[in-house]
Amino acid sequence: GENVEQHPSTLSVQEGDSAVIKCTYSDSASNYFPWYKQELGKRPQLIIDIRSNVGEKKDQRIAVTLNKTAKHFSLHITETQPEDSAVYFCAADEFNTGGFKTIFGAGTRLFVKA
Amino acid sequence: GAGVSQSPRYKVAKRGQDVALRCDPISGHVSLFWYQQALGQGPEFLTYFQNEAQLDKSGLPSDRFFAERPEGSVSTLKIQRTQQEDSAVYLCASSLKGQNTEAFFGQGTRLTVV
Repeated sequence: GENVEQHPSTLSVQEGDSAVIKCTYSDSASNYFPWYKQELGKRPQLIIDIRSNVGEKKDQRIAVTLNKTAKHFSLHITETQPEDSAVYFCAADEFNTGGFKTIFGAGTRLFVKA
Repeated sequence: GAGVSQSPRYKVAKRGQDVALRCDPISGHVSLFWYQQALGQGPEFLTYFQNEAQLDKSGLPSDRFFAERPEGSVSTLKIQRTQQEDSAVYLCASSLKGQNTEAFFGQGTRLTVV
């Protein structure tokens, strides 16, 4: 089945700097890769997603890149702000005869220092 | 309601007690997922429903865990004879179509087994 690895587990940046979180996946059949942000005590919320027919997607200060050959994808946050501090999860959809499921990475705790 | 609703938000159970966790998905959402999130970890897949059909229950950790969605809407996750290792946040998510679409999460139920 699908295995999603995420690095780093913790990331601390200065306000205004960029943050990069990297993930790898194992199932070459996966073609949907969402990123979720989870603030302390709150539910995970989708911040951006990418499908396998594109290599990059951008939404204001966040962007995601996908390399299907290497089976890795990354989240880039530019001009970080204190409110970006949260746990970020990458994910990949796994397909099997039972349908599909979203497999999550272990998460990256991002600290943005003011 | 506007989002996925879970109840109770918090549950303290004595070891050996049975518990039932409820999920009200967004109206019209076909797919429903249950995840278990241990402290500091990413959500771990438990089970997946498409309408009333449980298509994948490969993530349920033991036969003490049981989930149902009898009318294709509300779902219940039941844990029998709870153990301390069952302590976690249980997240429910729903999506409109299924694969390659955004999953919306509930606030979760924090289960503590004492």
